[in-house]
Amino acid sequence: DAKTTQPTSMDCAEGRAANLPCNHSTISGNEYVYWYRQIHSQGPQYIIHGLKNNETNEMASLIITEDRKSSTLILPHATLRDTAVYYCIVRAFTGANSKLTFGKGITLSVRP
Amino acid sequence: GAGVSQSPSNKVTEKGKDVELRCDPISGHTALYWYRQSLGQGLEFLIYFQGNSAPDKSGLPSDRFSAERTGGSVSTLTIQRTQQEDSAVYLCASSLGLASGGVGFTDTQYFGPGTRLTVL
Repeated sequence: DAKTTQPTSMDCAEGRAANLPCNHSTISGNEYVYWYRQIHSQGPQYIIHGLKNNETNEMASLIITEDRKSSTLILPHATLRDTAVYYCIVRAFTGANSKLTFGKGITLSVRP
Repeated sequence: GAGVSQSPSNKVTEKGKDVELRCDPISGHTALYWYRQSLGQGLEFLIYFQGNSAPDKSGLPSDRFSAERTGGSVSTLTIQRTQQEDSAVYLCASSLGLASGGVGFTDTQYFGPGTRLTVL
């Protein structure tokens, strides 16, 4: 699976949008972009995924560039509960094993 | 519906003892994964089940680690002769698996809360 690069950390003010970037310049045509987050002492939580089109759900929006070499996760109105480590993962489903390979992620701190 | 559950939530054991960690996947999910997260380390893959078979055990760190799955549902991760370096949070995830197959489909994994293992 392609490798991803994320900043180590970022912060944003409560109520503002949090834009979390991810670079995946070696992504292949059959690889999806997944985002998970891990709030302290909890298991990872699935947020959203996409292939090439922008996606939106009740938690977030995912913007993928046209060349698919980078993406941005957008939390439209960050709350204190959104403070977590966010993982951007690029992965192809092989039909045999679709294990997730986690990097270090980006630590988002939402301040009051 | 019910998510992935794991038990116990915390386990403290003495070096050299055996431990068993349990995972109950989401009902209907045929794929099950075990991961480990050590202090200061990222999440690392241990083993993957499709049904009761484990086609990928490549992440198991030593032969002291084993896992089984019965009835295509519950899975148990066993660590024999525990060592202090085994201390970590052990996470289980499940997904629909190959049963959900199709062109361009994705198979989202959902994680349990983890079992925190401390080896003294």
